[in-house]
Amino acid sequence: NFMLTQPHSVSESPGKTVTIPCTRSSGSIDSNYVRWYQQRPGSSPATVIYEDNQRSSGVPDRFSGSIDSSSNSASLTISGLKTEDEADYYCQSYDNNNNWVFGGGTRLTVL
Amino acid sequence: EVQLLESGGRSVQPGGSLRLSCAASGFTFSNYAMSWVRQAPGRGLEWVSSLGGSGGPTYYANSVRGRFTISRDNSKNILYLQMNSLRADDTAVYFCYGESGYAPNYFDYWGQGTLVTVSS
Repeated sequence: NFMLTQPHSVSESPGKTVTIPCTRSSGSIDSNYVRWYQQRPGSSPATVIYEDNQRSSGVPDRFSGSIDSSSNSASLTISGLKTEDEADYYCQSYDNNNNWVFGGGTRLTVL
Repeated sequence: EVQLLESGGRSVQPGGSLRLSCAASGFTFSNYAMSWVRQAPGRGLEWVSSLGGSGGPTYYANSVRGRFTISRDNSKNILYLQMNSLRADDTAVYFCYGESGYAPNYFDYWGQGTLVTVSS
């Protein structure tokens, strides 16, 4: 099976833009949809991006998802950072047997 | 109001069994594929199991296959996870999750989680 690799942590200042990569170890990143989840401390996860680049209902357009076949990775980009964006972010995709695969998660600090 | 409410989590000894429930309300439950996702203390998210709106097909993570069984009762709007032969590394918060449709008519919901602790 493949793995999804994310950086353990990223940090950026309010108002700036941050991109969180998610690299697939084998197989093509575009062969199965990627989702992104936000999890604030002490809370349940919430879906922010589905089907690679679709924003979930209520998610501001400061959040965007993309796929890059050349690097075999997905990315979550958050522009105009706010302190409320501080959270853990997880990418997730599927194998060919419909099993979910999660990335290890990235802690976003907005300072 | 849409709600997924998990219950059944508690402390249990290794080798024991538990059944988790996830009660759904505020949406047409039978139209939604449902899943269980868990999170060990201080760790990341781990997918456990999924099943379709009508009760099949079912899918399991390698770590739980043969020990856990996912099921649903669409007449009661409840999702279940029967967990047998529990091990210490099953200790986690278990979230239920439901999803339906495709862009732009895609909807998904998360529960608040229930804590399972496996310890002697």
